[in-house]
Amino acid sequence: QVQLVQSGAELKKPGASVKVSCQTSGYTFTSSGINWARRAPGQGLEWMGWISGYNGDTKYAQKFQDRVIMTTDKSTKTAYMELRSLTSDDTAMYYCAKSGSYFLIFDFWAQGTLVTVSS
Amino acid sequence: NFMLTQPHSVSESPGKTVTISCTGISGNIASNYVQWFQQRPGSAPTTVIFEDRQRPSGVPDRFSGSVDYSSNSASLTISGLKPEDEAEYFCQSYDNNNVVFGGGTKLTVL
Repeated sequence: QVQLVQSGAELKKPGASVKVSCQTSGYTFTSSGINWARRAPGQGLEWMGWISGYNGDTKYAQKFQDRVIMTTDKSTKTAYMELRSLTSDDTAMYYCAKSGSYFLIFDFWAQGTLVTVSS
Repeated sequence: NFMLTQPHSVSESPGKTVTISCTGISGNIASNYVQWFQQRPGSAPTTVIFEDRQRPSGVPDRFSGSVDYSSNSASLTISGLKPEDEAEYFCQSYDNNNVVFGGGTKLTVL
């Protein structure tokens, strides 16, 4: 069955970077993509971007375009999301989700990674 | 910019039916597929409806999705409400290669 498992919680200082991993199994990694979204405390869901599992093409939300990098490692079927220049506003749960029939459709979600930014 | 708006909260009794709306603003909701996600407190979202009305395997048929082109809105209907349906529900679509989420509706099963 399809499974996505993210790396553990992170505590970062303002100005630092964080890199979250999303290890996949149960489907052909190169036949789909991975979306990343986050949910800050008291807020709704916010899309960050998408990466192709086939060729690494990316599409970033305009808000994050200058400080997010999404990558993949086909050999380990893992996707990564790195967010730089962190501020307290980046404190949130970060989620990866497999794309469905269209790249911006989410079908399976991972458990999430809590990123806390605090001095 | 295309947006999706949902009621902040709804409540209903066990065994009853509830419908949660998702209205498109500054765009045609029928242009692209709508998905619905359930998120219980402390848990990750799960997909309960994709492509307007399709249910992933394992999601009970008490959950159904629809789109009303005349009102430019999508709906999630949950029948035979159970206490475990209490959660926050988000609609999601896309426009110009950007993902749009609704603000979420908190469902209370009284």
